[in-house]
Amino acid sequence: DIKMTQSPSSMYASLGERVTITCKASQDINSYLSWFQQKPGKSPKTLIYRANRLVDGVPSRFSGSGSGQDYSLTISSLEYEDMGIYYCLQYDEFPPTFGGGTKLELK
Amino acid sequence: DVQLVESGGGLVQPGGSRKLSCAASRFTFSSFGMHWVRQAPEKGLEWVAYISSGSSTIYYTDTVKGRFTISRDNPKNTLFLQMTSLRSEDTAMYYCARKDYDYWGQGTTLTVSS
Repeated sequence: DIKMTQSPSSMYASLGERVTITCKASQDINSYLSWFQQKPGKSPKTLIYRANRLVDGVPSRFSGSGSGQDYSLTISSLEYEDMGIYYCLQYDEFPPTFGGGTKLELK
Repeated sequence: DVQLVESGGGLVQPGGSRKLSCAASRFTFSSFGMHWVRQAPEKGLEWVAYISSGSSTIYYTDTVKGRFTISRDNPKNTLFLQMTSLRSEDTAMYYCARKDYDYWGQGTTLTVSS
C-alpha cells in the first residue's frame, strides 16, 4: 500500500497568515491526490483534486501543487472559517490511502 | 445538488452483523463508482471499499476482506455495505462518497460493543 506522510500533524496560525501543509507519498502517485477539509461533526469537504484543480465554489485562497511523491496545500491568507482538519488522499492505486491529517488552529 | 444519505448504523454486539445503506439522489447513480470511507472516533479517515458503476469491479481494505460486502442497487439508487463478524475496531462513522470523492454523505455511526 502507498503510505502518505502528512505534515505537520497540527499547527497554529494567525488570521491573514500563509499556511502550507505537505503530503509525501511513498511512491510516485502521478498527481492523483486530493485535499479535504473536515470540521467537527461534519463530513469531509473536497478542496482540491488531481493535485492542483480547485473544486467549484472553493475559495481561491486555497491552492494545491506538487508532482511525483511530493504535494502541498497552501492557504494564501488564513481566514477564521479555515480552521479544521485537513487530509490528503492518494487515489493513484487501490487501496486509496489518506494522510494522517493536519489540525489547523487559530493562534 | 447531489445528495447522499447514509443509514443503518447503531449499536451492535461483537461478532454481530449490520447492513448500511446510502441513498443517492440528484445525479445519475448508475454512472458512478462509489466508496465507503470510515472514521473511528477521534481518528483519521480510512477507505473501506469501492464498487464500480456496474458492480464489475470491487475492492476492499485488507482489514474487512471476507467480513464486509459492498453492493449496489442501481434502479433503487442505493449503495450498501453488509458487515459481518463485527469487531470493536469497526466502531466508526461510515461515509459513502462518489467515485472522485467530490460528494460525501453525512455519515452513519456504527458502534460495536457488548
